Parts: sequence; C-alpha cells; structure tokens
Amino acid sequence: RKEVEQDPGPFNVPEGATVAFNCTYSNSASQSFFWYRQDCRKEPKLLMSVYSSGNEDGRFTAQLNRASQYISLLIRDSKLSDSATYLCVVNKRGSQGNLIFGKGTKLSVKP
Amino acid sequence: DAGVTQSPTHLIKTRGQQVTLRCSPKSGHDTVSWYQQALGQGPQFIFQYYEEEERQRGNFPDRFSGHQFPNYSSELNVNALLLGDSALYLCASRRQGLETEAFFGQGTRLTVV
Repeated sequence: RKEVEQDPGPFNVPEGATVAFNCTYSNSASQSFFWYRQDCRKEPKLLMSVYSSGNEDGRFTAQLNRASQYISLLIRDSKLSDSATYLCVVNKRGSQGNLIFGKGTKLSVKP
Repeated sequence: DAGVTQSPTHLIKTRGQQVTLRCSPKSGHDTVSWYQQALGQGPQFIFQYYEEEERQRGNFPDRFSGHQFPNYSSELNVNALLLGDSALYLCASRRQGLETEAFFGQGTRLTVV
C-alpha cells in the first residue's frame, strides 16, 4: 500500500464548479500535511498547508482528520487557471523535512 | 533573490552512460533534497544533503549518488543509466530546522534512450 493515496482523477469540471479532492495516508507518524499544485512540466509549488482545525485561503479549503488519516482539498468557484495536478503531501516525524507525495490528481476546468 | 536553480533543464543520454545534475539552493538555505518524478507519478525522495553529508536516503540504488559543496550547492550523479531512469529530477532546498518550508527548482528532464 502506498503511503499517500489520492483520487485517481482526472477531474473535468466546468468553470464555477466546486470540486473536492481526497487523500489518505497510511503512516500515523505523519506530522505535517500539504497540498501542492503542479502545472504541466513544471515544478510543484506549495498551495497550502493543512491543519487539524481546517484552514481556508480564498476559494481553497483544506481539512485534516488525524483519526481517519484523511486529508481533503475543496476548490470553490473553479477558474480556468485552476487547471493543474494537485499533489497531496505528508512529512513524517523525524524525516528531517523530506516529503512523501501522492500520485496527484489532475484537474481540468473547462469554459 | 534567485530561487532554486537547476541545470541543465533538459538532457538526453544513452543507456549505460553517466549523468550529473546540478542544483543551487535558494539564498539562505543550507539543506538540499533530490526527488525523481516519473511521468504520471508524484515525486519520490532520493536523498538529502546537509553540511556536505548525505543525511537521509530513499529507496534508490547505489547508482544514485550525490554531493554537497561548501556553498550548499549540490550534484546528483547517476551511473549506468537505465531506460527507467528517464524522469524529471527535482531539487528542493530549505533551511535546516524549518522542516515544512521547501522550495523546488524547475527540474531537469532526463531522457535515457
């Protein structure tokens, strides 16, 4: 079983739609959680960190459930520019900051 | 302030050859990690360098080796290239102690033919 698993996608949605990505992690020693965005043939960039209390950044909301080892990302009012691959990422305690990535879920927002 | 820079951006090598990829970390960063991203997959951790030593290593064979220089820049070397080594190689830097803040370079796309 992979340490970080995500919805396989791809997600094809119209502009203005709300889309949700889910992710599960297998190692209970995971201590930090993130969503990264990766545009085609580019490097991953941090979209947002994920906190137990949930956090929001504009149209983006991230949630973490430690008991279920589950992470989610909600994008409201999708824009064409949101089209990208979204990577769920965890950092294990004691791993000195090295990141474990999910396979990623591709989102295509259509006009 | 330059971010993480990697060179070259693209590279084509023949099976069995050796390759060296380079990374300059973001200003103020002293720790460099390397990742391999195969097509359609998420990045996989190769190894991390701090104070010119390999500190952690992922599940990669000894054909993958590295180095960190006194100016914190780093090299990734891959010997005896296989077709399966074709991937995007990403370098990420951070400041030791700030485990959550890593910045990625644009990557080197290696194609082995």
